[in-house]
Amino acid sequence: DAKTTQPTSMDCAEGRAANLPCNHSTISGNEYVYWYRQIHSQGPQYIIHGLKNNETNEMASLIITEDRKSSTLILPHATLRDTAVYYCIVIRPQAGTALIFGKGTTLSVSS
Amino acid sequence: DAGVIQSPRHEVTEMGQEVTLRCKPISGHNSLFWYRQTMMRGLELLIYFNNNVPIDDSGMPEDRFSAKMPNASFSTLKIQPSEPRDSAVYFCASSWDTLIPGGYTFGSGTRLTVV
Repeated sequence: DAKTTQPTSMDCAEGRAANLPCNHSTISGNEYVYWYRQIHSQGPQYIIHGLKNNETNEMASLIITEDRKSSTLILPHATLRDTAVYYCIVIRPQAGTALIFGKGTTLSVSS
Repeated sequence: DAGVIQSPRHEVTEMGQEVTLRCKPISGHNSLFWYRQTMMRGLELLIYFNNNVPIDDSGMPEDRFSAKMPNASFSTLKIQPSEPRDSAVYFCASSWDTLIPGGYTFGSGTRLTVV
């Protein structure tokens, strides 16, 4: 599976949009981009995923560049409860695979 | 739905003792995963099962660690003998299938401290 690169940490003001980047320059055609987050002391939580089109759900939006070498997770109106570690994972969904977590980005939302 | 249930939530044990962590996956899920998290190493995949069969145990650190899934509703992770470096938070997760990475549901974790 392709490796990902994320900034170690980011800050965001409450109410503003949080844009979390992820580089995955070695992604292959059948690999998806998944985002999970982990709030302190809890297990990771699924946020969103995509292949090549932009995706949106009630939690966030995912923007994938046309060459698929990078993506951005957008939390449109960050709240204090969005403070967490955000993981970008590239994986080919097939039998015998499992999510492998990197270091992620620690997002700190402040008032 | 009660989610993935792990027990105990906290465990403190002495070095050399046997430790057993337990996990009840979500009913109907057929894949189960054990992860370990430390500050130094982050979130590591230890082992996962599909339809109660171990698929990949390459993440199990050494022979002191063993995992079983005797049926679809229960799994254990055992450490024997335990060592201080095993101190970590151990997470169990389940999903409908390994084909659905977005469908992982994690438990609340077991915080293990070996003194």
